[in-house]
Amino acid sequence: DIQMTQSPSSLSASVGDRVIITCRASQDVRGDLGWFQQKPGKAPERLIYAVSTLQSGVPSRFSGSGSGTEFTLTISSLQPEDFATYYCLQHNRYPDTFGQGTKLEI
Amino acid sequence: EVQLLESGGGLVQPGGSLRLSCAASGFTFSTTVMGWVRQAPGKGLEWVSSITGSGGSFYYADSVKGRFTISRDNSKNTLYLQMNSLRAEDTALYYCTKEDGFEIWGQGTMVTVSS
Repeated sequence: DIQMTQSPSSLSASVGDRVIITCRASQDVRGDLGWFQQKPGKAPERLIYAVSTLQSGVPSRFSGSGSGTEFTLTISSLQPEDFATYYCLQHNRYPDTFGQGTKLEI
Repeated sequence: EVQLLESGGGLVQPGGSLRLSCAASGFTFSTTVMGWVRQAPGKGLEWVSSITGSGGSFYYADSVKGRFTISRDNSKNTLYLQMNSLRAEDTALYYCTKEDGFEIWGQGTMVTVSS
């Protein structure tokens, strides 16, 4: 199974900060890597797919990068609505696996 | 509008069974890989199972293998998850997902396994 190690598990930041969340895969996942945002009581929403493609309607302050086994989600300038939990997901090989999540707090 | 609507959750005793349903609309269901993802209270996301468009291939997490069965009825645009031998650790919110990149998720249906 491919393990996804996401860091940090939690992060305190302020409005306007630049934030970077990292996911490391135990094997090459090619381009089958996505990032999701989840707010309390809501279903996850896809932000990024195929490593770096921005989901339609998602603000351009979100960006994804990486390749092979190392991936990052960057939020260039935090806004109040960005405080949420973020997950990476690899779907290159079953079982699909999520990172442990990063809770972004004020 | 693409939509997924789960149903069938509830309270069940350990060892019991439950069948979840997911009604899909707004896309060509029969050619789409579909799946289930769950989230235990206060925990992260866990992929549970997937099934190809034809229903000919399916995959399970080790934690549910042998107890859960995924299936679909393409004539009804509906995905199912039959859950048997339920355990306390299966307590979670179960999401139905459109697995071409996990773009679309349902709102979830809650399963509670408790005596």
